Amino acid sequence: GAVVSQHPSRVICKSGTSVKIECRSLDFQATTMFWYRQFPKQSLMLMATSNEGSKATYEQGVEKDKFLINHASLTLSTLTVTSAHPEDSSFYICSARVPGLQYFGPGTRLLVL
Amino acid sequence: QKEVEQDPGPLSVPEGAIVSLNCTYSNSAFQYFMWYRQYSRKGPELLMYTYSSGNKEDGRFTAQVDKSSKYISLFIRDSQPSDSATYLCAMSPATSGTYKYIFGTGTRLKVLA
Repeated sequence: GAVVSQHPSRVICKSGTSVKIECRSLDFQATTMFWYRQFPKQSLMLMATSNEGSKATYEQGVEKDKFLINHASLTLSTLTVTSAHPEDSSFYICSARVPGLQYFGPGTRLLVL
Repeated sequence: QKEVEQDPGPLSVPEGAIVSLNCTYSNSAFQYFMWYRQYSRKGPELLMYTYSSGNKEDGRFTAQVDKSSKYISLFIRDSQPSDSATYLCAMSPATSGTYKYIFGTGTRLKVLA
């Protein structure tokens, strides 16, 4: 199957700082990537759809100025959590789309102190 | 009513048992059905995918789709402790365009040695 990587796998930051998470498709090109958030023992919550070369589409209730998404190339999408607060602490997972399927990255655990 | 319903479990079975995991859905437009396995603190891993109705088998795993009943299943034969994980079903109406997956809440499975 297709391989998707995320970096970093874990990050701890102070409240008020910004954190960037990278999502890469390693052996294929993805015009569309997705960003999800997952709370403990809960399912995946779609945050936004990232399209290469255009603006991301955010789900209802997700602040686009808070969660900045950039999909600059066919293999890289980035999610920047701006001015992070403790309530932003969560597990962030990206996926990359190939026709019909999504392949997920390993996730990034963010802890905001 | 949620679009996709999945029993969260936990489901505990002895090693070697046949496991049946299920999802029901309400949207008749769904055409693509996926099963993902997610280990704790990891991203989801694609296990099986099926288009429309029918069965698909891959090793110890069998996926079934019954569109008339809006019901999908994943069977695991000869279950192993390494199968202990959360299993997520996902569905989509199409492969092209701006489609999104609709996920179940996930079923936590524990296979006891």
